[in-house]
Amino acid sequence: AQSVTQLGSHVSVSEGALVLLRCNYSSSVPPYLFWYVQYPNQGLQLLLKYTSAATLVKGINGFEAEFKKSETSFHLTKPSAHMSDAAEYFCAVSDFTGGGNKLTFGTGTQLKVEL
Amino acid sequence: KAGVTQTPRYLIKTRGQQVTLSCSPISGHRSVSWYQQTPGQGLQFLFEYFSETQRNKGNFPGRFSGRQFSNSRSEMNVSTLELGDSALYLCASSNAGVYNEQFFGPGTRLTVL
Repeated sequence: AQSVTQLGSHVSVSEGALVLLRCNYSSSVPPYLFWYVQYPNQGLQLLLKYTSAATLVKGINGFEAEFKKSETSFHLTKPSAHMSDAAEYFCAVSDFTGGGNKLTFGTGTQLKVEL
Repeated sequence: KAGVTQTPRYLIKTRGQQVTLSCSPISGHRSVSWYQQTPGQGLQFLFEYFSETQRNKGNFPGRFSGRQFSNSRSEMNVSTLELGDSALYLCASSNAGVYNEQFFGPGTRLTVL
């Protein structure tokens, strides 16, 4: 089965600083990986996805992630944090165990942006 | 194109009752998945329906059930509610392509008293 691990349940950065949210995956097959963001009292919004076309994936709101097979990682970055980036971020992997359409999520990282 | 819609957005029930939640997927999407989100357990997969058939199921008791209609709309039902069923229930739709990209609705916040 596929799984993801997010290191750091809480990350705090200053406005304008680099954002780095970590995600490592475990998969017996080439993975399809995703980053989602969740704002309070809302559903999940897709930030970006890795589908093996390119190792550096650019997403919405200035976020990007790099797939590194050697490190089994898919870390999310943004060069300059903005107050509006404060939210919870989830890394997810497609899990085809049992067939069908299923995402297995990490435990989430709460991003706090300070002035 | 309209996004995934879920109704109701908020629900309060008491233990022992049953509840039905509804999800309308993005037009053209044939796959609907349900997830439960709680502070303690995080995001957990409940089940997925594709063309009116349950295609995958998570590790939840039989009190949790679902169905999908011919127009791809889906409902999930929880019978004999327990306090631990209090959660945000998220529905996601997909065109069931190989990349498994799922689009989520705003969720239904269920509180069991």
